[in-house]
Amino acid sequence: DAGITQSPRYKITETGRQVTLMCHQTWSHSYMFWYRQDLGHGLRLIYYSAAADITDKGEVPDGYVVSRSKTENFPLTLESATRSQTSVYFCASSGDRGRSPLHFGNGTRLTVT
Amino acid sequence: SQQGEEDPQALSIQEGENATMNCSYKTSINNLQWYRQNSGRGLVHLILIRSNEREKHSGRLRVTLDTSKKSSSLLITASRAADTASYFCATDAVRANSKLTFGKGITLSVRP
Repeated sequence: DAGITQSPRYKITETGRQVTLMCHQTWSHSYMFWYRQDLGHGLRLIYYSAAADITDKGEVPDGYVVSRSKTENFPLTLESATRSQTSVYFCASSGDRGRSPLHFGNGTRLTVT
Repeated sequence: SQQGEEDPQALSIQEGENATMNCSYKTSINNLQWYRQNSGRGLVHLILIRSNEREKHSGRLRVTLDTSKKSSSLLITASRAADTASYFCATDAVRANSKLTFGKGITLSVRP
């Protein structure tokens, strides 16, 4: 089925560990995005990518790393997890930047203990 | 920083009533979009309205845009219990390099 899938759905990790959240889309959309959702803050953009091998920072990029070697995948890595990174992470894709709708995955709930 | 701000933060209505949600923003936009999020799920796109449009309809949804007041409203007519969700407005600001900025959302509860 066409769509955007995130894995894992839930993750618990310890402070200081590296963790990678996966995102895969089947639409061949050029643009992909990572947002985090926190109570009181809404959705905030972490990183985005306009195409394979092209990535750029969003509003809250510190502590995160992304890569995009293939159009369909856009993993997000927390290099050394901190408790402040406990959040729900959403991956999204779009065919045409901000001028067309975003398609969201169902999110990864990450808890850093 | 938040570009769009929704109002009210929470809304509770009876099934069959209309629900009106508002969004205000600060800078010039290319378009404004509304999304719905059911509990535990990702956001789902509802409707996109461009800066040169004033009103759009989609089923029971009606969106208006007033660029002079930098505001938009989402009207859901004849609400159903299944409309219970959080609703977000998102703006594609002219100077934002095509990145959408989301508001904090409105929690809508529709009582059966």
